[in-house]
Amino acid sequence: EPEVTQTPSHQVTQMGQEVILRCVPISNHLYFYWYRQILGQKVEFLVSFYNNEISEKSEIFDDQFSVERPDGSNFTLKIRSTKLEDSAMYFCASSAYYEQYFGPGTRLTVT
Amino acid sequence: RKEVEQDPGPFNVPEGATVAFNCTYSNSASQSFFWYRQDCRKEPKLLMSVYSSGNEDGRFTAQLNRASQYISLLIRDSKLSDSATYLCVVKGGPDKLIFGTGTRLQVFP
Repeated sequence: EPEVTQTPSHQVTQMGQEVILRCVPISNHLYFYWYRQILGQKVEFLVSFYNNEISEKSEIFDDQFSVERPDGSNFTLKIRSTKLEDSAMYFCASSAYYEQYFGPGTRLTVT
Repeated sequence: RKEVEQDPGPFNVPEGATVAFNCTYSNSASQSFFWYRQDCRKEPKLLMSVYSSGNEDGRFTAQLNRASQYISLLIRDSKLSDSATYLCVVKGGPDKLIFGTGTRLQVFP
């Protein structure tokens, strides 16, 4: 069964550093998403991406965040200058149309 | 009112029991509804979409009541492997999913 993959599984970074989280969506899917989950809290939408552009974003997704599809398979989330409060689990998801399937997540720890 | 509201539980039930979870949502214009399950520190996994007419998948039955803005999930014949957090999810716009905080289920032998 095809699945979304994410790398790395765990990233530790210092405050102020840039991080890039990587995702490989399911191959025939055209819609891509990033969500985050702070420990003990609910899953929150960050951004959706379709046809090489952002289609929707939340108020969490401010100027320090960006997304890119650098080639035909990868989908990345960049956080430019990390803050302590960016520590969370980041999930990538993809969909063909209706149902979204999630990757295993990257645990980001900002120290 | 929260966008998606669930009883956090935990629901502690013996194997073989039937358990029901409920969820309410605030936006009457919402069109798509889902149940996901999430194991500790893992990704949400799609359990089932919820259709207006109600739908069943094996031991799982989902119901939608649009008038009351209420979604339910029934699990029959609970297994130990059903222990997880069950997330009620509503599509909040063209793309984004809005998650509830989840209801924790613990099935004991």
